[in-house]
Amino acid sequence: ETGVTQSPTHLIKTRGQQVTLRCSSQSGHNTVSWYQQALGQGPQFIFQYYREEENGRGNFPPRFSGLQFPNYSSELNVNALELDDSALYLCASSPPGTDNTEAFFGQGTRLTVV
Amino acid sequence: GNSVTQMEGPVTLSEEAFLTINCTYTATGYPSLFWYVQYPGEGLQLLLKATKADDKGSNKGFEATYRKETTSFHLEKGSVQVSDSAVYFCALRRGSARQLTFGSGTQLTVLP
Repeated sequence: ETGVTQSPTHLIKTRGQQVTLRCSSQSGHNTVSWYQQALGQGPQFIFQYYREEENGRGNFPPRFSGLQFPNYSSELNVNALELDDSALYLCASSPPGTDNTEAFFGQGTRLTVV
Repeated sequence: GNSVTQMEGPVTLSEEAFLTINCTYTATGYPSLFWYVQYPGEGLQLLLKATKADDKGSNKGFEATYRKETTSFHLEKGSVQVSDSAVYFCALRRGSARQLTFGSGTQLTVLP
């Protein structure tokens, strides 16, 4: 079975632009979460999608938005990019089940805003 | 709110030394606790977990015990290897919510 895959792996954007990051969840996983990991920091929760609906959001402004598709893959969109948005963006998927289920992480997308 | 505090890094050890990375948490109720590892250029991998007080998670020689009375989940390994060099993150998840709250990470370097 394939794991969580993210694309692209690296991306450079200019301040003010918009970006879309993509995540394919692991087979059978219906929950996808996105995290932002700034350099030297721990990941920060952005939001989570469950069955195509947003199901929890961290302390991020509305210019961070997302989608989940019927096949449970997901997109993270960031509008009006700022220099501080430069970070590693991680996607994690989880299978159906209790709160004891594990989150499986992708390799991440390294976004640089210049 | 929920929070996780990890010991300041970086940590540098010689091969076969004993490792402890401290982790304490703040949360209401009974969160599940996790240690994740991040190798250079990679995403996060679950190392071990514990879901209730006094549970001990273990994997690859690493251990951590869920201590409710001290709100701690310290990571230990009796004899580290060069291949253990990575960044280690302590995290919690509370209740049925799936989002994780992470500590700031501890960089471990093991020298031969």
